[in-house]
Order: sequence, then structure tokens, then C-alpha cells
Amino acid sequence: DAGVTQSPTHLIKTRGQQVTLRCSPKSGHDTVSWYQQALGQGPQFIFQYYEEEERQRGNFPDRFSGHQFPNYSSELNVNALLLGDSALYLCASSFRDRAYNSPLHFGNGTRLTVT
Amino acid sequence: LAKTTQPISMDSYEGQEVNITCSHNNIATNDYITWYQQFPSQGPRFIIQGYKTKVTNEVASLFIPADRKSSTLSLPRVSLSDTAVYYCLLGDDKIIFGKGTRLHILP
Repeated sequence: DAGVTQSPTHLIKTRGQQVTLRCSPKSGHDTVSWYQQALGQGPQFIFQYYEEEERQRGNFPDRFSGHQFPNYSSELNVNALLLGDSALYLCASSFRDRAYNSPLHFGNGTRLTVT
Repeated sequence: LAKTTQPISMDSYEGQEVNITCSHNNIATNDYITWYQQFPSQGPRFIIQGYKTKVTNEVASLFIPADRKSSTLSLPRVSLSDTAVYYCLLGDDKIIFGKGTRLHILP
């Protein structure tokens, strides 16, 4: 049973470019959340997708957008890249159950470097 | 802002029991308490989750007092490989990570 998979593992982009990161959730999970983690910091919540819609959003500009597909996989898009966007981008999946809090299952992330 | 408060760092020795306490004075009625472990350049990994009293699994125990305003993660007989950052989180909507606790295990 595959866990959360993210691609690519590493990426180098130039300022002003656009990037798309991909995530496949753990089997049986229907919710995907994206996080940005700078070196030495805790993960920062970007947004969460459920039923192909953005349900929650953190304090990130509109340059950060996403999508969830019918098979529950997800993409994170970042436009007009800035040097400060360099970070580890983490995808986490979970199962939406109002009866209890489903733990997050994380991938190992995409390391984005903006030069 | 994170809804939890943890010590920034802790040191311990191999073979010792380590207890990491998390404060969450404003925990919501329907919030579970979940702990994660993170190694460098990896995603956080689920350790344990609880709602009240005590929960134990093969790697840790979680103690939650009746008022649920704090919780304590207990790692029995730690080893060098337990050196990591540990996060205490609440709920499952818009989960906010704090800075976590950097646990350093010494030989």
C-alpha cells in the first residue's frame, strides 16, 4: 500500500518562473493539504483540498494555487517565483471523518530552490 | 499562530524515558491531540493520537489530563535514532504547526 508520493523530489527554478508540484495521496484518503517548510521552521499551512475544492487556506498570496483531481491527487502551482519561495513543500493526505480527527500522512516533499 | 506551546529543545541520554509536554489551553471540544516526529529532509510522521486519559502504542504513550489543557508524549528507552523534532497538533482543520521540540539524544 503506497503512502503519499510527491514529485519531483528536487527542483531548481529561476525567479519569475512558474512551478507545478504533484502529490498522490495515500490509498483511501480523500483530502490533501499542502505545507511549505523553510529550513529550521515548522511546516506552514498553504491550503487544503477536499472534493476537488479548496476548503481552507493559510496566509499565502494568490501566487500559490492548487487543484485536486477526481482521483484525489493534487497539484500545487506557484507563479512568479521569488527567492523566498525556496523551501521544502510537503503534501499530506487524510480521510475526512467528522467523527474523529484523521491523522495526516506526509510525503517526503519537494525541495524547491529558486535562484 | 500555533494553538500549542512546547519546549524549544530537550536533551536526554540513550536508554532514558523522555517526556515532552505540550500546552493547549484553548483546545476545542472536538479536537484530538496528535503528535508527529520529523527527521531532516523528510515529512513529519504520525506517532500517536488521543482525546483523553492515556493512549499507548508500540512506540509511545500519550497522557492527557481531565481538563485536556495539556498533554505529555512519553518515549520509553530512547535511542540515538529518536533524535528529531516532535510536534504537538490539535484538530484536523487547517492544522497549524508550531516550532516543535528538538529532541537530542546523547550516547
